[in-house]
Amino acid sequence: SQTIHQWPATLVQPVGSPLSLECTVEGTSNPNLYWYRQAAGRGLQLLFYSIGIDQISSEVPQNLSASRPQDRQFILSSKKLLLSDSGFYLCAWSVQGGFEAFFGQGTRLTVV
Amino acid sequence: GENVEQHPSTLSVQEGDSAVIKCTYSDSASNYFPWYKQELGKRPQLIIDIRSNVGEKKDQRIAVTLNKTAKHFSLHITETQPEDSAVYFCAASQGSNYKLTFGKGTLLTVNP
Repeated sequence: SQTIHQWPATLVQPVGSPLSLECTVEGTSNPNLYWYRQAAGRGLQLLFYSIGIDQISSEVPQNLSASRPQDRQFILSSKKLLLSDSGFYLCAWSVQGGFEAFFGQGTRLTVV
Repeated sequence: GENVEQHPSTLSVQEGDSAVIKCTYSDSASNYFPWYKQELGKRPQLIIDIRSNVGEKKDQRIAVTLNKTAKHFSLHITETQPEDSAVYFCAASQGSNYKLTFGKGTLLTVNP
């Protein structure tokens, strides 16, 4: 069966520090991959999505970037965190040609 | 791009009552409409979805209706129970391999 792993679960980082959140999917090939941010425990904002290696689309201009170094690995990065980057970050995947998106357990990021 | 509006933002009902959450979408090309439930601090999980070739779908106490002409769809929960308390998100997409656009969520509280 397919599973998605996202880590770390919680992270506290100082302003100006770098960020790297990792997400991996097991049990499937060539998945669509997504990064969402959820602020204040509510709306889900799509940050990046990828339909294949080296095919990443950015939805919202910001100081975050995403990379997909391997087929089932999706990384969210920042060179210098801002206070406004605090939130709950969710990785998700869907099957190529599929409809449903499956979410990882999320990373709660607090920038102090 | 797609825009999904969701109402109400909060909903409080008594146990046993029905709850209805409504969403509208803007892109007439959207043809897939899932609903996700997110319990506090956890990942969103799909509870029901509907595609544009269907007007209504039921799964035990939950049902979703879709009006493509008016571009709106609704989630209906009957005989609500305290464990139904959560944030519910609607979403829309143009189908497989297309990103999901989410509404801002509805916090449902079921009072015992």
